[in-house]
Amino acid sequence: TQLLEQSPQFLSIQEGENLTVYCNSSSVFSSLQWYRQEPGEGPVLLVTVVTGGEVKKLKRLTFQFGDARKDSSLHITAAQPGDTGLYLCAGAGYGQNFVFGPGTRLSVLP
Amino acid sequence: GAGVSQSPRYKVAKRGQDVALRCDPISGHVSLFWYQQALGQGPEFLTYFQNEAQLDKSGLPSDRFFAERPEGSVSTLKIQRTQQEDSAVYLCASSHTVPGSYNEQFFGPGTRLTVL
Repeated sequence: TQLLEQSPQFLSIQEGENLTVYCNSSSVFSSLQWYRQEPGEGPVLLVTVVTGGEVKKLKRLTFQFGDARKDSSLHITAAQPGDTGLYLCAGAGYGQNFVFGPGTRLSVLP
Repeated sequence: GAGVSQSPRYKVAKRGQDVALRCDPISGHVSLFWYQQALGQGPEFLTYFQNEAQLDKSGLPSDRFFAERPEGSVSTLKIQRTQQEDSAVYLCASSHTVPGSYNEQFFGPGTRLTVL
């Protein structure tokens, strides 16, 4: 069974600060996804990474997939209150269903 | 609507009752997934359909859980003789592709089940 860990579990920061959250596993994934989930809604896909060492940028969000394809990080620059939510990573082996981590709950205070 | 819809949004059941949760995926999507999300946790996989075929039900926690997608579109997750530990948000997701590297899942808002 593929197991994903995310850290920190909770993070509360002031508007304008930078932050990084992590997703780690002992398993190798063919691809890894990051989602954001807001209360009362389903997760919404932010990015998919598939190549070891890959870096993708989405406005103020930077995603990195580890060289060994076992871990990933999400960096947010100049966080805004609208970034508040539960950030989930999900990994899959080739042709397999995605397994989700427990999430990092981010709160950005104005 | 253009997205995945689920009904009911909230369900309160007495312990021992049967419940049925409905998912309307995005039209034409081949794949449909059910997840269970406990409070403060990430979604946990329950089952996967490719069209009308249930290809993976390894995540269903017990034989009280049953899912179907008879015509390859709408799906129903049924829980018989509900227990308090079944209380969770049940999420449905659909995708236009089969599982693979670029499989983007579109999630519905979920059904919050509370078993008293």
